Amino acid sequence: AQSVTQLGSHVSVSEGALVLLRCNYSSSVPPYLFWYVQYPNQGLQLLLKYTSAATLVKGINGFEAEFKKSETSFHLTKPSAHMSDAAEYFCAVIPTGGFKTIFGAGTRLFVKA
Amino acid sequence: DTEVTQTPKHLVMGMTNKKSLKCEQHMGHRAMYWYKQKAKKPPELMFVYSYEKLSINESVPSRFSPECPNSSLLNLHLHALQPEDSALYLCASSQVGFQEEAFFGQGTRLTVV
Repeated sequence: AQSVTQLGSHVSVSEGALVLLRCNYSSSVPPYLFWYVQYPNQGLQLLLKYTSAATLVKGINGFEAEFKKSETSFHLTKPSAHMSDAAEYFCAVIPTGGFKTIFGAGTRLFVKA
Repeated sequence: DTEVTQTPKHLVMGMTNKKSLKCEQHMGHRAMYWYKQKAKKPPELMFVYSYEKLSINESVPSRFSPECPNSSLLNLHLHALQPEDSALYLCASSQVGFQEEAFFGQGTRLTVV
């Protein structure tokens, strides 16, 4: 069965530092991949999605993610963290030919002043 | 309009009460979803409606009863809930095709006492 693994339930960075949130998927066929962000007591908001058009995907709020088939990874990065980036981040997949979004366990990002 | 609106934002109900959660979208999406999210966990899919018909029920207890009156509205009727049903209930919508990203509402924080 398709699954998503997010390495690190918590990541802490200083303001202005690089943000790197890791996501690996399990599939021999590249699925549809997404990153969502959830602020406290809010719903989920789409940051970006991969649909095979390009391996480097740019999203909102300065985030981007690179699809690497050889590593089955879709890590999320941002060059410079801002205090407002503190939130929960979910990597998600929809298997090719599938219909159900499968979420990773989530990574809580803390940003220190 | 790219919003999914959920009401109420907060709900406290007794175990013998009957209540309903409401969700509305005007993006023309024909797939609508209910998710349940416990603290520090990813959303769990409960129900999927496609073209106003129930297409997926993830073995949800019958005390949760979904309804899709029209293409813009989705309800979740609650009856005889248990304290463990306390959670954030999220509604989402997407284009039919299932490989499309979901747009989430802000959620209803439900507490069962």
